[in-house]
Amino acid sequence: DGGITQSPKYLFRKEGQNVTLSCEQNLNHDAMYWYRQDPGQGLRLIYYSQIVNDFQKGDIAEGYSVSREKKESFPLTVTSAQKNPTAFYLCASTPFRTGSYNEQFFGPGTRLTVL
Amino acid sequence: KQEVTQIPAALSVPEGENLVLNCSFTDSAIYNLQWFRQDPGKGLTSLLLIQSSQREQTSGRLNASLDKSSGRSTLYIAASQPGDSATYLCAVQASNTGKLIFGQGTTLQVKP
Repeated sequence: DGGITQSPKYLFRKEGQNVTLSCEQNLNHDAMYWYRQDPGQGLRLIYYSQIVNDFQKGDIAEGYSVSREKKESFPLTVTSAQKNPTAFYLCASTPFRTGSYNEQFFGPGTRLTVL
Repeated sequence: KQEVTQIPAALSVPEGENLVLNCSFTDSAIYNLQWFRQDPGKGLTSLLLIQSSQREQTSGRLNASLDKSSGRSTLYIAASQPGDSATYLCAVQASNTGKLIFGQGTTLQVKP
């Protein structure tokens, strides 16, 4: 089955701890994205990557870091510098075809809670 | 700066009703617009994608329209069912990076 997987489903972080959220896709999509969802605020873009070994900051990148060493993987690290990390994190991907990006597909999400 | 707004924030209808969800955006220079469904605690499921050159797309009981000049899109759901209860999100792609800008969603409840 083709799709996007995210792990873990639930994650608990202690104060001062870095945690890494996994995102893997087997759709051969070119671009991958990380969004954060908070109640009443919709989805906001954290980071995105259009090609391997390259990524760009989104609207709320402070306190987060990413890597794109392989086309199918785009892990997100939530660092201790992120002051309010409790949220639902969603990973997405999209193919680049005929000169533009197309339909974006999402993973099932990771819910991060700070203890 | 592109902004996306969805009205109403919540909607409750009896089963069988036809309904319309609204999405507006401030800048008409978009590449495409996408409608998603989100069930509680789950990821987003893509419903329909409308390219900037298209006026509408249909899938089953769903029909989405796009009017770029007025900055509006509507999602029409025919003969609503309790299983349609979810949050519906619209998003526009405003640049050639694939980045999406989301509205805050409309939470729909269809009562049996």
